[in-house]
Amino acid sequence: GAVVSQHPSWVICKSGTSVKIECRSLDFQATTMFWYRQFPKQSLMLMATSNEGSKATYEQGVEKDKFLINHASLTLSTLTVTSAHPEDSSFYICSASWTRGMNEQFFGPGTRLTVL
Amino acid sequence: GEDVEQSLFLSVREGDSSVINCTYTDSSSTYLYWYKQEPGAGLQLLTYIFSNMDMKQDQRLTVLLNKKDKHLSLRIADTQTGDSAIYFCAERDDKIIFGKGTRLHILP
Repeated sequence: GAVVSQHPSWVICKSGTSVKIECRSLDFQATTMFWYRQFPKQSLMLMATSNEGSKATYEQGVEKDKFLINHASLTLSTLTVTSAHPEDSSFYICSASWTRGMNEQFFGPGTRLTVL
Repeated sequence: GEDVEQSLFLSVREGDSSVINCTYTDSSSTYLYWYKQEPGAGLQLLTYIFSNMDMKQDQRLTVLLNKKDKHLSLRIADTQTGDSAIYFCAERDDKIIFGKGTRLHILP
C-alpha cells in the first residue's frame, strides 16, 4: 500500500514552454502533498507544501508564479513549470501524506525535466 | 541554518557490514530518518528513530543516534547486491531536511 505515482517520468521541452507534472496517491487519500527538487549529487530541496483545497505554501526562494501547484483532490496534485528555462532542468519528486504536516511521507518515483 | 552532512560514496564487499554516517545541526529535530533511493525509483523510508532514542534495530538494519554529537549512523549487516543504492539521511523539526545522499557500491 501507500503508492505514489508521477507522470510523466521524464519530459524534454523547449525553453519558454510550460510543463505539467502530475502526482497521484494510488491507494490512499493524501491530505498533504509535497514537491521537492533534486539537483545531481544534491539533496532534495522542499519547494512547496500543499494541503487539499488550500493554496500551496512555498519555501523561501521558490517563485510561486513560476511553479504553479494545484491540489484539487485528495489523490492528485500538479506542478506546472511555467515558461521553463534550462536552469529549471532538474529531477522533481513529489511525496504524499495522509495527515497534515510532515508525518510519514510516501515518495513518488520522480520526473526528470530537461529544458532545451 | 539547518544542515545535514553525509559522505557521498561508500564501497563495501558483499557480505560485509556497511556503515553510513550522518551529522546534523538542528538540536530540536524530533525524528531522524534513513531513506533509500534506487535508480529510477522514489525514496523508500528504510527506518526512523525518535530523538529520545539512541538505538533502533530492524532485521539487518541498526540505527545509532548520538544526540550529544548530533551524529546518526546506519549499519547494514551482511550487505547484499540489492543494497546498492543511494541512502539519504534526513532530520525533521518543522520540515524534513535531507542530506546529499551516500551512494553505496557493493564489491563482489
